[in-house]
Amino acid sequence: EADIYQTPRYLVIGTGKKITLECSQTMGHDKMYWYQQDPGMELHLIHYSYGVNSTEKGDLSSESTVSRIRTEHFPLTLESARPSHTSQYLCASSPTGIGSPLHFGNGTRLTVT
Amino acid sequence: GNSVTQMEGPVTLSEEAFLTINCTYTATGYPSLFWYVQYPGEGLQLLLKATKADDKGSNKGFEATYRKETTSFHLEKGSVQVSDSAVYFCALSGEAGTALIFGKGTTLSVSS
Repeated sequence: EADIYQTPRYLVIGTGKKITLECSQTMGHDKMYWYQQDPGMELHLIHYSYGVNSTEKGDLSSESTVSRIRTEHFPLTLESARPSHTSQYLCASSPTGIGSPLHFGNGTRLTVT
Repeated sequence: GNSVTQMEGPVTLSEEAFLTINCTYTATGYPSLFWYVQYPGEGLQLLLKATKADDKGSNKGFEATYRKETTSFHLEKGSVQVSDSAVYFCALSGEAGTALIFGKGTTLSVSS
């Protein structure tokens, strides 16, 4: 049973629109992450946060931005969507501690037309 | 930097066959190692993990042993089922508990 929730599951939107992908977790985890998953299934870290008011960019450059105002909430925003943003976006969280596994949401599949 | 290399797929097996998916890593010190599974249309689920050398992680008939000498964490299952069809990811987290780095994933297809 998922304790980390992503909405929407699917989103089809036109070029130039602003979108926000929501991610919430009920486990009280300090660490949260956004991964982008390409059609070949490879996962790329695009943003992470180790606590409230802390955000960092990941290994893959992304035009998206994130915020972490509350522990449980880690939304991702695209100011102006483009077809190149079409992808699956996976949110995850983990407790602090070496060796702690990530808990993933079911993802948001974004299509920009 | 840290990296994970896992065998290319797809892997196609008959039910009850033996499964091995190879995974090797590059990292300084003693990373934590993980296997995740992703079923169609879902997020990733933790399958098993190992946090120190010679540890064996196991779950649902799957096993993997953390081999420091060969920098490997190969996934094995003695008898696969159709329901095991999914994408499997090997991953590591650095000593400082850094964000997971994933391999490219291996698609497993099991037929009856």
